[in-house]
Amino acid sequence: SQTIHQWPATLVQPVGSPLSLECTVEGTSNPNLYWYRQAAGRGLQLLFYSVGIGQISSEVPQNLSASRPQDRQFILSSKKLLLSDSGFYLCAWSVGRVLNNEQFFGPGTRLTVL
Amino acid sequence: AQSVTQLDSHVSVSEGTPVLLRCNYSSSYSPSLFWYVQHPNKGLQLLLKYTSAATLVKGINGFEAEFKKSETSFHLTKPSAHMSDAAEYFCVVSDLDTDKLIFGTGTRLQVFP
Repeated sequence: SQTIHQWPATLVQPVGSPLSLECTVEGTSNPNLYWYRQAAGRGLQLLFYSVGIGQISSEVPQNLSASRPQDRQFILSSKKLLLSDSGFYLCAWSVGRVLNNEQFFGPGTRLTVL
Repeated sequence: AQSVTQLDSHVSVSEGTPVLLRCNYSSSYSPSLFWYVQHPNKGLQLLLKYTSAATLVKGINGFEAEFKKSETSFHLTKPSAHMSDAAEYFCVVSDLDTDKLIFGTGTRLQVFP
């Protein structure tokens, strides 16, 4: 069966520090991978998605970046965190197009920037 | 462009009473629609999905939703609420133009004993 892992589960970082969040998927090949951010009281905002190794599409210009060094690994990074980067970060995967296929979400990372 | 509107940001019900979470969609073609649930500090879990088959869709945990094209609605219902149903619920539409999911802003369901 397929599983998706995210770590760390929680993170408290000072403003201006770097960030690296990791997501890995097991039990499937060549998944589509997604990074979302959920701010308090808001819905989900798609940040990045990837359809293959090294293929990253950015949805929102900001100080975050994403990389996909391996087929089932997706990393969210920042060189210098801002207060506004606080939120709940969710990784998700899917196979095929969104028409009929659900996205499977990881447990999330709670990031607090102080 | 596709979009969804969740008409209530908060819904409160008593345990054992019916649940109704409202969602309206906008789509230029026949959409695929989903309901996801998120318990506090957890990821999202799919409750059910509509993909142009039967208009009444049954999901997990006793939830169901009815696709009504004439009303552009996809409301989520459950006959009898349980305490464990307290969570945030998201209505989602697929966007074929961009191959992405478009999420509503969510409805927080509270269940009182």
